[in-house]
Amino acid sequence: KQEVTQIPAALSVPEGENLVLNCSFTDSAIYNLQWFRQDPGKGLTSLLLIQSSQREQTSGRLNASLDKSSGRSTLYIAASQPGDSATYLCAVWGTSYGKLTFGQGTILTVHP
Amino acid sequence: GAGVSQTPSNKVTEKGKYVELRCDPISGHTALYWYRQSLGQGPEFLIYFQGTGAADDSGLPNDRFFAVRPEGSVSTLKIQRTERGDSAVYLCASSIEGNTEAFFGQGTRLTVV
Repeated sequence: KQEVTQIPAALSVPEGENLVLNCSFTDSAIYNLQWFRQDPGKGLTSLLLIQSSQREQTSGRLNASLDKSSGRSTLYIAASQPGDSATYLCAVWGTSYGKLTFGQGTILTVHP
Repeated sequence: GAGVSQTPSNKVTEKGKYVELRCDPISGHTALYWYRQSLGQGPEFLIYFQGTGAADDSGLPNDRFFAVRPEGSVSTLKIQRTERGDSAVYLCASSIEGNTEAFFGQGTRLTVV
């Protein structure tokens, strides 16, 4: 059974810092990996999708990397802003077609 | 709007009642998913539709839960004899096909009192 773990559970940083969120998964036989953002009381917003054949994806200040063999992904946020404050969720598409398995999320607070 | 739409946004019901939650996926998306999220947890898989058929319903917790997608577009999640433990946010997502980028709706917050 696939298990996804995110570290740290919570992170508080001053504005302007670069930061890294970590995600690990137990079964390396994944199809894709997706990072999401969730604001309080809201749904999930897709940030980046990394296909299993890729090593990284970039979107603006976000960069996600994937090391499938070691079961790890990182989300790098450059020059953090208060508007980045949210919960960040990592999820993997496994070989069981159509099923995303989520981590518990990292709660990020960026203070001015 | 071109996103996934879920209605209602909030639903309060009494224990034992029947509820229906609706999901309108992004037009053209053949894959549709239902997830359930409890406070402080990541979403948990319930069911996956490819077209009109339930390709994987292994996440449905028991036979009180049922979902349909009769025309391959809108889906309804149905919960019979609701229990207080069913209280959660129910999230719907769609993607062009299975295992591709998923887009989520805003969720339905179900409270069973």
